[in-house]
Amino acid sequence: GQSLEQPSEVTAVEGAIVQINCTYQTSGFYGLSWYQQHDGGAPTFLSYNGLDGLEETGRFSSFLSRSDSYGYLLLQELQMKDSASYFCAVRDDGRRGSTLGRLYFGRGTQLTVWP
Amino acid sequence: DTGVSQDPRHKITKRGQNVTFRCDPISEHNRLYWYRQTLGQGPEFLTYFQNEAQLEKSRLLSDRFSAERPKGSFSTLEIQRTEQGDSAMYLCASSPQTSGRADSEQFFGPGTRLTVL
Repeated sequence: GQSLEQPSEVTAVEGAIVQINCTYQTSGFYGLSWYQQHDGGAPTFLSYNGLDGLEETGRFSSFLSRSDSYGYLLLQELQMKDSASYFCAVRDDGRRGSTLGRLYFGRGTQLTVWP
Repeated sequence: DTGVSQDPRHKITKRGQNVTFRCDPISEHNRLYWYRQTLGQGPEFLTYFQNEAQLEKSRLLSDRFSAERPKGSFSTLEIQRTEQGDSAMYLCASSPQTSGRADSEQFFGPGTRLTVL
């Protein structure tokens, strides 16, 4: 099976930098994705790491270490609109009959950005 | 570009009734996923279609749940004899079948919120 751990809540002020960690235990790993979800909204894709290292997309960066089963999402220059839930999600490798592309989500980290 | 759409957005039903939800994926996407999300949890995989073929069902999906994608375009999710524990947000997502990084992104619809009284 798959299990993912991420902090339940994080708070920060506008302009700050926040790191949301994610550790995982999986029976099949292909990559780690990050999604953002505002209250009442749909999850939206932020970033994906298939290989070790850092991926940068504007103010957001994501890191993966496959050997440590660990990744993080880094949010810089925080804005009020970044207040949302952030989910890490393991993408299954499809080797045990499950679907390549199937996502296993963590429970989410609620980020609150204060002015 | 219309994105992924779902209908209805909200459904209130009495226990024991049947409900059906519809998902219209992005038109060129041949992969379609259904997820269920409850308060304070991440989306939980239910089932997956590639074109019209249902390739995987979660063991969490009881036999009261059935999904179809008859022409490889829109999909329906039916819940028979609803129970209060079925109350949740039902999310549909789609993705194209491509290679590499582009294959990693799923596009989610706004969801159907089901309340079973």
